[in-house]
Amino acid sequence: AAGVIQSPRHLIKEKRETATLKCYPIPRHDTVYWYQQGPGQDPQFLISFYEKMQSDKGSIPDRFSAQQFSDYHSELNMSSLELGDSALYFCASSPRDTTISYEQYFGPGTRLTVT
Amino acid sequence: DAKTTQPPSMDCAEGRAANLPCNHSTISGNEYVYWYRQIHSQGPQYIIHGLKNNETNEMASLIITEDRKSSTLILPHATLRDTAVYYCIVRDPYANNLFFGTGTRLTVIP
Repeated sequence: AAGVIQSPRHLIKEKRETATLKCYPIPRHDTVYWYQQGPGQDPQFLISFYEKMQSDKGSIPDRFSAQQFSDYHSELNMSSLELGDSALYFCASSPRDTTISYEQYFGPGTRLTVT
Repeated sequence: DAKTTQPPSMDCAEGRAANLPCNHSTISGNEYVYWYRQIHSQGPQYIIHGLKNNETNEMASLIITEDRKSSTLILPHATLRDTAVYYCIVRDPYANNLFFGTGTRLTVIP
């Protein structure tokens, strides 16, 4: 079965640079979620999109922005990178009707290293 | 979302049943119990969820107490590949995010 695709899988950037992470949800999933997992920490919710509109926002820094496109893929844009942004970034997708959010299926993650 | 409490770690012998407990004493009536697991540095994997009835799928069984204040995830025949951190998450189905607490690190021993 098709899974969530994330690219790139690994990314190395320097401080103050920008990074763009991409997420391609499972076909027919219209909801996308982004999570950040720092070293030795549990995943933390950043932001979610349903039908190309932001549906919820968690602990996402103002330096980060995200959007969902007409084909339902999503991009997480990160600017003015800091050393503390080094983490695993997971994207998840789920189907959704107008009210209920179903179980989320996670991608393999993008490992971002900021030097 | 309601707070959950899980033991930080557990061991289980390969081939035996692994029983992972979770306390969620402040769960509200419309909140579901979800279980996810994360094998080292991989994306979290959905296992099972339930509201009040016991549930079973090809991966596991979920037993929820009658008062819904606690639950147990059962892996019937643990294998080495089941070594992972298991997260019990109580969630309103209308909420978008999953709140990952500390979880239980299950180690399956040969």
